[in-house]
Amino acid sequence: SYELTQPPSVSVSPGQTARITCSGDALPKQYAYWYQQKPGQAPVLVIYKDSERPSGIPERFSGSSSGTTVTLTISGVQAEDEADYYCQSADSSGTPVFGTGTKVTVL
Amino acid sequence: QVQLQESGPGLVKPSQTLSLTCTVSGGSISSGDYYWSWIRQPPGKGLEWIGYIYYSGSTYYNPSLKSRVTISVDTSKNQFSLKLSSVTAADTAVYYCARVVPAAPGWFDPWGQGTLVTVSS
Repeated sequence: SYELTQPPSVSVSPGQTARITCSGDALPKQYAYWYQQKPGQAPVLVIYKDSERPSGIPERFSGSSSGTTVTLTISGVQAEDEADYYCQSADSSGTPVFGTGTKVTVL
Repeated sequence: QVQLQESGPGLVKPSQTLSLTCTVSGGSISSGDYYWSWIRQPPGKGLEWIGYIYYSGSTYYNPSLKSRVTISVDTSKNQFSLKLSSVTAADTAVYYCARVVPAAPGWFDPWGQGTLVTVSS
């Protein structure tokens, strides 16, 4: 089955930049989305259509796409950004698929 | 703004059918502007899409669960529901309902708070 691969963990100091990658063969043909999930809470959309930011999401969150990899960048990381992050897209048949998830730790 | 709330039993016995309902407020399922979906997350693990439904009743299920899943809609109550049959311990998870914004592919926003369903005798 189709997989979206993310690094299990990313550690970053406050004020620095965190970059989370998501790789999948179908990404050149499908939009990607990013969700933030804090412990005990439901996921929240932080990026849609590869690089668009929903209203209410801080400007420090940005997304980009290059070939089979999409990247979520958090610039000037804050303690409140510590969470799990999931990418989401779809396989070639349009079945939604989530990435494996990345735990962001703020040192 | 639209809000979603899951409800249903928190404990289901093995081999039985899991049943959950999602109530939508602040927006109408009948508007036809969105799809409506179920997603689950086993404890400590990642997210798995289960399926989605349109107000007309059209459905699309995850092929890996298709044989056991039924999603239905009740527009008069502004609710949609999930049934998962022949459950095992592997179906223990937090179950979320979410609105699907149509695109290629669609995205999930917002989500309900989630409800934990444990499969155990």
